[in-house]
Order: sequence, then C-alpha cells, then structure tokens
Amino acid sequence: GQQLNQSPQSMFIQEGEDVSMNCTSSSIFNTWLWYKQDPGEGPVLLIALYKAGELTSNGRLTAQFGITRKDSFLNISASIPSDVGIYFCAGQGLDGTASKLTFGTGTRLQVTL
Amino acid sequence: EPEVTQTPSHQVTQMGQEVILRCVPISNHLYFYWYRQILGQKVEFLVSFYNNEISEKSEIFDDQFSVERPDGSNFTLKIRSTKLEDSAMYFCASSGLTGELFFGEGSRLTVL
Repeated sequence: GQQLNQSPQSMFIQEGEDVSMNCTSSSIFNTWLWYKQDPGEGPVLLIALYKAGELTSNGRLTAQFGITRKDSFLNISASIPSDVGIYFCAGQGLDGTASKLTFGTGTRLQVTL
Repeated sequence: EPEVTQTPSHQVTQMGQEVILRCVPISNHLYFYWYRQILGQKVEFLVSFYNNEISEKSEIFDDQFSVERPDGSNFTLKIRSTKLEDSAMYFCASSGLTGELFFGEGSRLTVL
C-alpha cells in the first residue's frame, strides 16, 4: 500500500525558532494536505496543495508540493507555544474528488519557552 | 464556521457488544469518511461513502463494520461485535467538491 514517511519524528525547539518538516511517498499523489492534531482532538486542516511545485502560505505556515508529486514540506516560522502538537501530512490519490487520504507517520512538535 | 460533529465523545463497551458511532457531516458536503487512530499511531482510512454507497474501504473495514446514512444529516459507523483491538479514536470526515477533508473531534472507543 501507499506509505508516507515523515521526518523528523519529533522536534524540540525554542519559541521563536523556525521549523521544517517533510513528507515523502512511494507513490504519486494528486493533492497534498497538512493537518495539525492536538491531544484528544481531530486533525485540523492547515494547508492544501493541488499542483506540483505549488508553494502556499497560511500565516506563519508555508508548504510546498514537490515537483515529483511524491513529497511535500511544511515550514513554520517564528514558532509559538500553541504550535505544539502533531503535524500530519496526507496525500490524496488520483481517483477523483472522493478519494481517501493516506496519512503520514506524524511529526511531534514541542516548543519550549 | 461549519464543522463535523461526532457523538459520543467517549464510549466504553464490553467485548462482543455492538457499537454505533454517529456523525453529522458539514451540510453541503457530499463525501463522507471514517478513519481511526490507535493511540500513538497515525490516522488510518476505514471507508469512504458517496451517493448512498461505499466508494472505497480498507482491509481494516471487515464484515464487522458497516456504515449508513439513515437520513439527510447523520452518517453512522456500526461495529457489530467489538474486539479489544477496536479500541481507538474514530474520526468522521466530510468533503465537498474541492476534495479537502474536514474532520470531527473524534469518538474514543474503549473495549474492555
């Protein structure tokens, strides 16, 4: 099946630092999405990417859809304590609008003051 | 802001019992999904549903699982005879024409 590997698995950073995490796949995806999950809650959509090479920003977040369509990265600039959580990439396949998401393994972010 | 709502937030059940998890997707969405997340692990796809039928299901979604859209607003996941390994967070999601999935807060199922 499709596998999405995220790195790093976890990060400990200081408030104000920039963060970078990435996701690689063995398969091509049509759409890449990045979600954040707080403990005990559902994933919340951060950014969606629809075209290879696309670079999209949402506030302090920037994400790119890799040219090969097999990878994506997420950057967070000037991290703040509420950035703590688990970040998941998710790829959406080539089967059309209703196709399922395949989630990555997650990157756990801890921010220290 | 429209959101996906799920009930119950937490259910504890005995092994072998039937469980129904309920979801109200975002009102103008047409595609519905169930995912699960075992504690500490990634989110796994169970099933997608469109036009009153299952579009796709994973190998996790065996004969013990079923989904239904009994009326115009609810979307349910039934587990007929729960097993210990069914303990997980179950997330409902819905999407519209853009394909972006929006998730509910989840239902935590604990099987004893």
